[in-house]
Amino acid sequence: GAVVSQHPSRVICKSGTSVKIECRSLDFQATTMFWYRQFPKQSLMLMATSNEGSKATYEQGVEKDKFLINHASLTLSTLTVTSAHPEDSSFYICSAPSGGGFLREKLFFGSGTQLSVL
Amino acid sequence: DAKTTQPTSMDCAEGRAANLPCNHSTISGNEYVYWYRQIHSQGPQYIIHGLKNNETNEMASLIITEDRKSSTLILPHATLRDTAVYYCIVTYGQNFVFGPGTRLSVLP
Repeated sequence: GAVVSQHPSRVICKSGTSVKIECRSLDFQATTMFWYRQFPKQSLMLMATSNEGSKATYEQGVEKDKFLINHASLTLSTLTVTSAHPEDSSFYICSAPSGGGFLREKLFFGSGTQLSVL
Repeated sequence: DAKTTQPTSMDCAEGRAANLPCNHSTISGNEYVYWYRQIHSQGPQYIIHGLKNNETNEMASLIITEDRKSSTLILPHATLRDTAVYYCIVTYGQNFVFGPGTRLSVLP
C-alpha cells in the first residue's frame, strides 16, 4: 500500500517552544492530508484537514493559531505546535488518502509523533 | 461522533480465528465500512473495507450483513502480533471518525 512518512517519531521540548512535525506521502500525491491527535488510552481525534494550496480546515475547538498547518506541496504537510505547553503533550498522527478514486479512498497513516512538553 | 458500536475488548487464542463484530445500524446507502487497527504507539494500519459484498484480502475477511447494519472482521489465524485496537469506521469519502474500537488480545 501507499506509504506516509512522518517525522520526528518522538520529540521532547521545553514549554514555550515550537515544534514542527512533517508528513510526507512517499509514492503518491496528496492534495489533502489529515492531522489527528491521540491522548493516552483514547481514540484518534481529527484536528484539521490540510489542503494543498489553500488554508487548512480546523475542527471545532482546535486553535488554528496554535496548530499551524502548511501544505506546501502535493507530498508534504507540516504541523507546527506553537508555544507548546504540557497540555499539548500527545501523540500526533497524519494521514493521506490514496487509491481507487473518491468513493473507495483508503486513508494511509504515518507512524505518529509522540510530543512531550516539559 | 462515530457511527459504529464495537465491544470494548476481546480475547482470542493464538492460531484460532478472531471474529470482531461491529454495529452500524444508521449506515447510509453510499457509506463504506472500513477496518483499521492500531498497535501500541503506531499509526493505524488499513486492513480492509467494503460496501455490501463480503471482501477478503491477505490480512482478513469482512462479512457485511445483507441489511448492512452490522459487519464482522475475521482474522482467520490470529497471531500474537495481531494484538491491537481494531477500529470499525463507516464513512463516505474521506471523513474518517474513529470510535474507541475493540482491544483484541491474542493469548498464547
